[in-house]
Amino acid sequence: GQQLNQSPQSMFIQEGEDVSMNCTSSSIFNTWLWYKQDPGEGPVLLIALYKAGELTSNGRLTAQFGITRKDSFLNISASIPSDVGIYFCAGLSGDSNYQLIWGAGTKLIIKP
Amino acid sequence: DGGITQSPKYLFRKEGQNVTLSCEQNLNHDAMYWYRQDPGQGLRLIYYSQIVNDFQKGDIAEGYSVSREKKESFPLTVTSAQKNPTAFYLCASARGSGGVRPYEQYFGPGTRLTVT
Repeated sequence: GQQLNQSPQSMFIQEGEDVSMNCTSSSIFNTWLWYKQDPGEGPVLLIALYKAGELTSNGRLTAQFGITRKDSFLNISASIPSDVGIYFCAGLSGDSNYQLIWGAGTKLIIKP
Repeated sequence: DGGITQSPKYLFRKEGQNVTLSCEQNLNHDAMYWYRQDPGQGLRLIYYSQIVNDFQKGDIAEGYSVSREKKESFPLTVTSAQKNPTAFYLCASARGSGGVRPYEQYFGPGTRLTVT
């Protein structure tokens, strides 16, 4: 089936640093969603993207729908301890039968 | 308060027993989903339903069953045929194809099932 490649798999960051992560697909997507999951909880929707080139912010988070429609990026500015968690991308293509295709997640860890 | 509830948060069962996980939503969403998450892994789709009285198998449906008799409810039964049932189970809902932003999925808090 279709797969999303999400990278990096994990990141160690200092508080205050900016963070970037991305998802790529071998096929064209028409929707990209970014979620955050805290330990033992369900994922929470952060940002939804519906148009190629679209750039959308939610506080310190900014996500972009790639021009090629095969990738998406999430940036977090000035990270704080509560940013720790797992970030998932999910996408929808025309032939995915309304099922989201999920990335494997990027785990954000704060350096002590 | 609109949302998705899953109960219980933690569930323990003996091997060989069927167990049913509850999922209820009051968001008036048409579509509902069940995912399984193993430690350190992503989400894998078990079953989904786009409308009442209809549901489809996802990628890992073997050993699971569902029903969708009411719009608000989508219970998942983990049967004794499921070889490795211990996992974190997540339920989600979405407006569905007839609504605005139809595929944005909203998740419940999850149920952690341990089978020994």
